[in-house]
Amino acid sequence: DAKTTQPNSMESNEEEPVHLPCNHSTISGTDYIHWYRQLPSQGPEYVIHGLTSNVNNRMASLAIAEDRKSSTLILHRATLRDAAVYYCILRDYGQNFVFGPGTRLSVLP
Amino acid sequence: ETGVTQSPTHLIKTRGQQVTLRCSSQSGHNTVSWYQQALGQGPQFIFQYYREEENGRGNFPPRFSGLQFPNYSSELNVNALELDDSALYLCASSRDSPMLGHEQYFGPGTRLTVT
Repeated sequence: DAKTTQPNSMESNEEEPVHLPCNHSTISGTDYIHWYRQLPSQGPEYVIHGLTSNVNNRMASLAIAEDRKSSTLILHRATLRDAAVYYCILRDYGQNFVFGPGTRLSVLP
Repeated sequence: ETGVTQSPTHLIKTRGQQVTLRCSSQSGHNTVSWYQQALGQGPQFIFQYYREEENGRGNFPPRFSGLQFPNYSSELNVNALELDDSALYLCASSRDSPMLGHEQYFGPGTRLTVT
């Protein structure tokens, strides 16, 4: 399974942008980059995914490096409700999701 | 649209016992995956069911087994419980054929404690 490296924890102030990094130097050409998050006492929640191009949706933006060896999840204006563990996952077709320990994001009021 | 539901919410069992956990998929979803999440760790893939057949399994022993029913609901059975089986068990459903979907919808989980 392709591996990802994320910081253990990050802190942000409310209403400021948050950039959550993920390194995946061994990514293969067919690996999709997925982000899920897990709020306290809940199951994980899909955030966004991409292959090569940057992606935007109502929750976040995903910026993918040109060499695809790293990516950044961007929350444009953090709210207290965004405090969660964020998981960056590489997944090829036919493979299951492999979750690492993720990044615990704290949002300060 | 009804989300993924799991029952029971919490469960306490004794070592050596057997347990059955249940999951109802989100409406319109035909694939169910089960995960085990130990405290402070990310979820670990147990297995996936698609149209009532097991389709993919993680590194878990055979005493972890499952079923998917015609209405796409699912059960996770664990025999001969061990203390290390204490964890949050998560069920996730998706719409597409196995392993191809990008979005999985997770339930709130069942917290199993083995004493």
